[in-house]
Amino acid sequence: GAGVSQSPSNKVTEKGKDVELRCDPISGHTALYWYRQRLGQGLEFLIYFQGNSAPDKSGLPSDRFSAERTGESVSTLTIQRTQQEDSAVYLCASSSRQGLITEAFFGQGTRLTVV
Amino acid sequence: GQQLNQSPQSMFIQEGEDVSMNCTSSSIFNTWLWYKQDPGEGPVLLIALYKAGELTSNGRLTAQFGITRKDSFLNISASIPSDVGIYFCAGQRSGSNYKLTFGKGTLLTVNP
Repeated sequence: GAGVSQSPSNKVTEKGKDVELRCDPISGHTALYWYRQRLGQGLEFLIYFQGNSAPDKSGLPSDRFSAERTGESVSTLTIQRTQQEDSAVYLCASSSRQGLITEAFFGQGTRLTVV
Repeated sequence: GQQLNQSPQSMFIQEGEDVSMNCTSSSIFNTWLWYKQDPGEGPVLLIALYKAGELTSNGRLTAQFGITRKDSFLNISASIPSDVGIYFCAGQRSGSNYKLTFGKGTLLTVNP
C-alpha cells in the first residue's frame, strides 16, 4: 500500500481480555517500530524490528506485551490480560533503511480502550 | 519512561501571528526532532537537527538545536489555520537510532 496501515483503527475491550493489533508496513521497508501514545503524553518506544535480526524489545512495559514480525512484512502486537492503563494509541512506523526513524512513516494508529 | 519538558502545553493564536515552543532536557541528545500530529493521524516529521547550534528552516518553520544539546525550539511564522495540531519534540541519543524520547506536545489552535 501507499502508507503504513494499522488495524483495527479503534478497539474497545474488557479488562482481562487479550487483544491483537496489526501493522502493515510500507512495501520494502525493512525496519518497523511500535510506539505507544497515552492520552496527553508523548510517544513511548515499545519494540523495533530490523529484517531478520533479533528485535529490540526493551521498551515493552511488561510480559503481557509481545510482538511478532514475519520477515519484512506484517507485524502484530499482542497484549494479554489487558489492564485499564493499557488504554492508549498504539502507533506503528516503518522505514527503508536500518533503524533510521528520522526516515520513518507512521501509521494512523490503533486507539485501544480497556473498560 | 523519561520525557522531555515541552512548553507551552497549548497555545491559542490569531492567524498571521508567530509561534514559539521549546523543549528542555536534563540529559544530552545527539539529535533533536520536531513532529506535527493531526487528529487521528500519526506524527509527521517536520525538522531534524543533528548538530549543536544548528539552525534549520523548512518554509515557515525554523528550529534550533541548543548549544548545550539539552534543548531545542521551534518557531512558526505567519501562522495559518492548517498549522493547527499537536507539535512534539523528540530527542535521540547516540547509538539509539530508533529510540526517541518525546515531549508531551504543544496543542496549537489558530483562529482565522
